[in-house]
Amino acid sequence: AQSVTQPDIHITVSEGASLELRCNYSYGATPYLFWYVQSPGQGLQLLLKYFSGDTLVQGIKGFEAEFKRSQSSFNLRKPSVHWSDAAEYFCAVGEYNFNKFYFGSGTKLNVKP
Amino acid sequence: DAGVTQSPTHLIKTRGQQVTLRCSPISGHKSVSWYQQVLGQGPQFIFQYYEKEERGRGNFPDRFSARQFPNYSSELNVNALLLGDSALYLCASSLAPGQGQETQYFGPGTRLLVL
Repeated sequence: AQSVTQPDIHITVSEGASLELRCNYSYGATPYLFWYVQSPGQGLQLLLKYFSGDTLVQGIKGFEAEFKRSQSSFNLRKPSVHWSDAAEYFCAVGEYNFNKFYFGSGTKLNVKP
Repeated sequence: DAGVTQSPTHLIKTRGQQVTLRCSPISGHKSVSWYQQVLGQGPQFIFQYYEKEERGRGNFPDRFSARQFPNYSSELNVNALLLGDSALYLCASSLAPGQGQETQYFGPGTRLLVL
C-alpha cells in the first residue's frame, strides 16, 4: 500500500540556519510528490511539486526539494530559515491520475530567534 | 482570481446529527477532492470527484457521501455523526486528474466539532 513517512514530528532551528525536512514514500510506480505548508488554523499551501524531469525542484519562499528514487525520498530544504517559516509541513504522494492522494503525518517547525 | 472557498468555516453538531459541507473550486477547475484532518495528523483522503463522477474513495464508512454539481462545486455529507468525526475538513480543487494537471489547491477548511 502507498504510504508517506515523515520521521521528524518536531524540529527546532535557529533563524538563519539551514533546514532539511525528511520525507520517505512507498509507491509502486513513479510518484508524483508534493510539499505543502500549513500555518495554524489555515489550509494547505503548495510549496513545490515533482512530476518528472530534473530531480531538484525549486519552490516558493526559497524552498527546494530533491527526489532520490534509490532512497524513496523527497526531502525539503531551505538554506536560511526565517521566523515566518514556523508552521507545519506535509509531504504528499499522488497516484497516477490522482484518484488518491496520501499525506504524511507532518513535521512541525519551530524557529528560534 | 478567488481560491477554493468552503462554507461554513466552523460548525458544531451533536452525535447522531447530519452535516453538509460545501466547496467551490477555483474557476476552471473540474476536479474536487475532500480530506479529513484530525488534530495532530495529516489529511486523510475521503473522495475525489471529476466531471460530477466519483473517481476515487478513501477508507471511510458509507456515512460519508459527496456529490459534484454541474458548476463543479461540491458537497460533502456526513450522516449519524460520531465524536470521532470532529476534524478539519479540507476541500481541494485541480484542473483534472492526469496529464500533469493534478496539482491540488486547498481551501481554508471547515472545522467540525461533534459534541
